Amino acid sequence: GENVEQHPSTLSVQEGDSAVIKCTYSDSASNYFPWYKQELGKGPQLIIDIRSNVGEKKDQRIAVTLNKTAKHFSLHITETQPEDSAVYFCAATQNTGGFKTIFGAGTRLFVKA
Amino acid sequence: ETGVTQTPRHLVMGMTNKKSLKCEQHLGHNAMYWYKQSAKKPLELMFVYNFKEQTENNSVPSRFSPECPNSSHLFLHLHTLQPEDSALYLCASSQDREGPLHFGNGTRLTVT
Repeated sequence: GENVEQHPSTLSVQEGDSAVIKCTYSDSASNYFPWYKQELGKGPQLIIDIRSNVGEKKDQRIAVTLNKTAKHFSLHITETQPEDSAVYFCAATQNTGGFKTIFGAGTRLFVKA
Repeated sequence: ETGVTQTPRHLVMGMTNKKSLKCEQHLGHNAMYWYKQSAKKPLELMFVYNFKEQTENNSVPSRFSPECPNSSHLFLHLHTLQPEDSALYLCASSQDREGPLHFGNGTRLTVT
């Protein structure tokens, strides 16, 4: 079955710097890759997603890149702000014999002011 | 406001108690989910309902019993739980099985 690995588990950056979180997946049938942000005391919230027919997507300070050949995708946050501090989860979804969404273990991002 | 409301936010129960978690979504979505979130583990899918029909049960112990009376409401009935069942239980919904998930803020469950 699908396996999603996420790195790093913890990331600390200075305010204004960029942050990059990377995920790899194992099943080439996966075709939808969302990223979620979870703040303390809240549920995960979708921040950006990408489908397998696209290599890159950007929304203001966040962007996601996808390399289908290498089976990895990354989240890029530029000009980080303290409110970006949270846990970020990547996920991979496939539809072979039923939909399956597998989550990475999460990255705790600290943005130091 | 996430559009998915879970109650209660916190629950402490003994191993012999029976309690229920409630989830309501105001988004008009067709699919609803229960996830378990434990420390330092990936989110674990427990149950999926699509158009009120249960379509997935990921080998969840029978002490967890879901109920979906309509497409807007989802319950998780709990009985004779174990301390290792303590976790954050998240409800989510999506327009269809392929789309992004919309999560509630979860119920923090502690089993004593």
